[in-house]
Amino acid sequence: RKEVEQDPGPFNVPEGATVAFNCTYSNSASQSFFWYRQDCRKEPKLLMSVYSSGNEDGRFTAQLNRASQYISLLIRDSKLSDSATYLCVVKGDSWGKLQFGAGTQVVVTP
Amino acid sequence: EPEVTQTPSHQVTQMGQEVILRCVPISNHLYFYWYRQILGQKVEFLVSFYNNEISEKSEIFDDQFSVERPDGSNFTLKIRSTKLEDSAMYFCASSPVTDTQYFGPGTRLTVL
Repeated sequence: RKEVEQDPGPFNVPEGATVAFNCTYSNSASQSFFWYRQDCRKEPKLLMSVYSSGNEDGRFTAQLNRASQYISLLIRDSKLSDSATYLCVVKGDSWGKLQFGAGTQVVVTP
Repeated sequence: EPEVTQTPSHQVTQMGQEVILRCVPISNHLYFYWYRQILGQKVEFLVSFYNNEISEKSEIFDDQFSVERPDGSNFTLKIRSTKLEDSAMYFCASSPVTDTQYFGPGTRLTVL
């Protein structure tokens, strides 16, 4: 079983629409959770950390379900600039090793 | 806003040659990392470094790889004898504590 699994997509989303996708992780001892975005051939950029209570940053909402070991990301009012690959990232131990999912591609169309 | 920087942006080398990839982490960060991403694949952890020593390494990080912090600013990844399968994007990252990590723009390594 992969440590972090994501639906690769692509999710084709009309501009202004809402899109949501999930990620599952296998290590129940994982401590921290993040969403990064990656544009083509660029570095991963932190989008947001994910907290147990759920958190929101502008148009982005992240949820964590520890019991079911999944993380979700919802994007409201999608912009063309939201087109990217969204990486689900899990930190499992105190030294900071990050485990990445393969990414979910989102394509926002006019 | 402080950033992680990496040089060179693209390195082309012949199989069997040594390469050194350079990174300048964010200045007040204490934890440093190298990751790689083979084209079309996920980002993979290589090594973490804290207090001038390796704190964790992956199976990928074999004897051909080494890391060093030669001075107060640079953090380097050396591949002693490159193989074709070492071709990838190599990302350096740093963090102030062992949580949120900030990535550099990467070095694209091409081994011919």
